[in-house]
Amino acid sequence: DTEVTQTPKHLVMGMTNKKSLKCEQHMGHRAMYWYKQKAKKPPELMFVYSYEKLSINESVPSRFSPECPNSSLLNLHLHALQPEDSALYLCASSRLLQGNEQFFGPGTRLTVL
Amino acid sequence: DAKTTQPPSMDCAEGRAANLPCNHSTISGNEYVYWYRQIHSQGPQYIIHGLKNNETNEMASLIITEDRKSSTLILPHATLRDTAVYYCIVRMMFTGGFKTIFGAGTRLFVKA
Repeated sequence: DTEVTQTPKHLVMGMTNKKSLKCEQHMGHRAMYWYKQKAKKPPELMFVYSYEKLSINESVPSRFSPECPNSSLLNLHLHALQPEDSALYLCASSRLLQGNEQFFGPGTRLTVL
Repeated sequence: DAKTTQPPSMDCAEGRAANLPCNHSTISGNEYVYWYRQIHSQGPQYIIHGLKNNETNEMASLIITEDRKSSTLILPHATLRDTAVYYCIVRMMFTGGFKTIFGAGTRLFVKA
């Protein structure tokens, strides 16, 4: 299995809602990543987890809260988002943090109303 | 900030080689060059990476200059399905490992 899956594919939420994005991989990778991508822009790194511990937080607002409950799962909890947070949210994994190619999921397209 | 510079767009005729350049003049000695591509509305896909030697795999070839300040990704026989945004990335070191910072990329149009 060389796939990273993300659910849901699409999400529409209001500014007062709480929702979560889910990412899963079964490749035994120990590094997992969240990226945010606005239209016609490159992906921007948000968070990096290595061995289920947060290694990098790229100064992301606290309304985004990552969680890595085990080595296969990565969640992104969303609360009190703004319309400008509407974007494609990409999850990726790699065997280790120190190198190796990253495998990306298809993304969750988020719309904040 | 990204450490790479790429042309914003390029065209290529179907069946011809596509040569995508990348400048990374501030690359450090132990930093690898990675190439990914992103087809519309999909997640980025890994293509190839290298340190200082030229590399080839089933998708592409990577030519890195001797001073490592630039590289070229070569798709030997471009097809319409190769139309995508191609990202050249130098993975940046931080305490504990590396992180991937995407630059603006090159939008490649393969035309019939």
